[in-house]
Amino acid sequence: DAKTTQPNSMESNEEEPVHLPCNHSTISGTDYIHWYRQLPSQGPEYVIHGLTSNVNNRMASLAIAEDRKSSTLILHRATLRDAAVYYCILRRYGNKLVFGAGTILRVKS
Amino acid sequence: DAGVTQSPTHLIKTRGQQVTLRCSPKSGHDTVSWYQQALGQGPQFIFQYYEEEERQRGNFPDRFSGHQFPNYSSELNVNALLLGDSALYLCASSPQLFSANTGELFFGEGSRLTVL
Repeated sequence: DAKTTQPNSMESNEEEPVHLPCNHSTISGTDYIHWYRQLPSQGPEYVIHGLTSNVNNRMASLAIAEDRKSSTLILHRATLRDAAVYYCILRRYGNKLVFGAGTILRVKS
Repeated sequence: DAGVTQSPTHLIKTRGQQVTLRCSPKSGHDTVSWYQQALGQGPQFIFQYYEEEERQRGNFPDRFSGHQFPNYSSELNVNALLLGDSALYLCASSPQLFSANTGELFFGEGSRLTVL
C-alpha cells in the first residue's frame, strides 16, 4: 500500500484559508488521492478526491502537483466546525482505504 | 434519508467473549466495509462485503469474521476477544464495488467496544 505523509497538526485562524499538505512520493499511476476528515466522536467524512487535475467542490479544493508526488487540501475559509483530523489517502480499488495518522487541524476564533 | 446506522453504540465485554456488531448501509448502497480505529490512530480496514461475499480483507486474524445479508446489512463478529480489540468499529457503505473513482464512502458513527 502506497503511503502518505502529513504534518501531525496545524493551526488556523477562523475565516482564513488553510492549506493542508500531503506527500505521497510512491504513488502509482492508478492511485486516486482522497481526503477524508473526522470530527470528534464521529465517523470519517468524505471531503474531496482527484487523480491528476485540481478539483473543487463545495467543501474544499484539491491541488495536485504535476508529478503527483504531493497534494494540498485547501479550505478557503476555515470555521470552528472545520476543526477535525484530516486524512490524505491513496485509493487504488475497492473500498480499502489506508488511513495514516492524519493532521489534526485546530481553528482559533 | 438515513445514513449508515450502527448498533450498539457502546458495549463492554470481557476477554475471551464474543461480540457481534451490526450495520445498516445507506439507502441504495450494496457494498459494506468495516474498519477498526484504536484510540489516537486512523481507521484500519478489516474487510469488505459485496453480494454477500467477502471481497477484500485487511491484515486481521480469522477471529474477525463477517456476514452480509440479502438486504445489504452486515455484521462483524469477533471471537475470543483480547484487550487489544478495544476500539471504535466503523462501518462504511458505498454504491459500487471496485471503483476508485466513485468518491465517497459513507461512514457510520461507530460502535465503541471496550474489552476488560
